[in-house]
Amino acid sequence: NAGVTQTPKFQVLKTGQSMTLQCAQDMNHNSMYWYRQDPGMGLRLIYYSASEGTTDKGEVPNGYNVSRLNKREFSLRLESAAPSQTSVYFCASSELPNEQYFGPGTRLTVT
Amino acid sequence: QKEVEQNSGPLSVPEGAIASLNCTYSDRGSQSFFWYRQYSGKSPELIMSIYSNGDKEDGRFTAQLNKASQYVSLLIRDSQPSDSATYLCAAYTGGGNKLTFGTGTQLKVEL
Repeated sequence: NAGVTQTPKFQVLKTGQSMTLQCAQDMNHNSMYWYRQDPGMGLRLIYYSASEGTTDKGEVPNGYNVSRLNKREFSLRLESAAPSQTSVYFCASSELPNEQYFGPGTRLTVT
Repeated sequence: QKEVEQNSGPLSVPEGAIASLNCTYSDRGSQSFFWYRQYSGKSPELIMSIYSNGDKEDGRFTAQLNKASQYVSLLIRDSQPSDSATYLCAAYTGGGNKLTFGTGTQLKVEL
């Protein structure tokens, strides 16, 4: 039982490049989330999916898109990366009532 | 104004002492609360959840909730150097299955 997995672990992009962060969970959870974590800012919600087939914006959605591919997988896409998107990205999943379990994270640097 | 507030620390306690971590929240509709531990360079790990007023104990950890004062705390008894980490407080307000995180308190347990 791997829990929540994320790929890649590290990534360096040039400004304007695109990439997709992958997330999968094997806990049969309905809800999945994407956060970014920056020093002094804490965890900020980018997008979430309360259940398969639904996605909603969080606190900081600009510059990102998501896809809930199926119950297990939730991907985050950066269409045109900017230096302001340099961050650590965490995926999480939960059943209820909102005990979220986090993946190991992706460290993204945009130059 | 951040909806969940924590003192960033660092909070330094000697080994074997009780560490007391505090969190206040602004939304009176918040229903449940969670404490996460995050080691440097790692992902947040859920360690305690509390849903009703009073105390909840789990091993060396005690979570305390006072909804009238909008205050949540985490006590760690017999603190160990391995408890040195950042502790994140999170609140669930019941809307959209989302959590709001504080920015975390860094705890240092000194030998």
